[in-house]
Amino acid sequence: TQLLEQSPQFLSIQEGENLTVYCNSSSVFSSLQWYRQEPGEGPVLLVTVVTGGEVKKLKRLTFQFGDARKDSSLHITAAQPGDTGLYLCAGAVIPNAGKSTFGDGTTLTVKP
Amino acid sequence: KAGVTQTPRYLIKTRGQQVTLSCSPISGHRSVSWYQQTPGQGLQFLFEYFSETQRNKGNFPGRFSGRQFSNSRSEMNVSTLELGDSALYLCASSLAAGYTDTQYFGPGTRLTVL
Repeated sequence: TQLLEQSPQFLSIQEGENLTVYCNSSSVFSSLQWYRQEPGEGPVLLVTVVTGGEVKKLKRLTFQFGDARKDSSLHITAAQPGDTGLYLCAGAVIPNAGKSTFGDGTTLTVKP
Repeated sequence: KAGVTQTPRYLIKTRGQQVTLSCSPISGHRSVSWYQQTPGQGLQFLFEYFSETQRNKGNFPGRFSGRQFSNSRSEMNVSTLELGDSALYLCASSLAAGYTDTQYFGPGTRLTVL
């Protein structure tokens, strides 16, 4: 059973469109991270959310942590080809020990 | 501050051989975790080391092992390689061991087993 479910699995859009990807779980997370990974490279941390209901903005990217800390979303406004990549969410579950669990990711392709 | 470095970046081995991968964490980071990433399974946690001790271990066979040195550098070893071990192996470092600590990833080592 996958602890973190990401949707959609694949997304292909045109430059300038908006999109939202989701990260859901039945477990409560003490914190949740979003990463972006390009082919052949390691994931790069975009943001960490900690507080239920928290919203963080990073230029055209908006991240939201659910009130119950069981889900999160990433919204991209006016997507650009440079946004293409694999978006991964990762969460640390209360009260389990060990490092974060990763979702399977959303592969985003933005066409010029 | 330099990021996480991994060597080598690419490696080709044959079945039955063994391989050692190296990871140097961000300066000051004491925790190193290893992950295996494949298209079918996604990112799978292998193990975590902190202060030269293995703190957590994922669900991988004993052929996968690791260690950490006093300078926090870490190595991962895979013995008796199988075709299914072909993957991107990622190392991540964090300041301390703990499930709330943010991890920073290296570029990975692409292992191909023929």
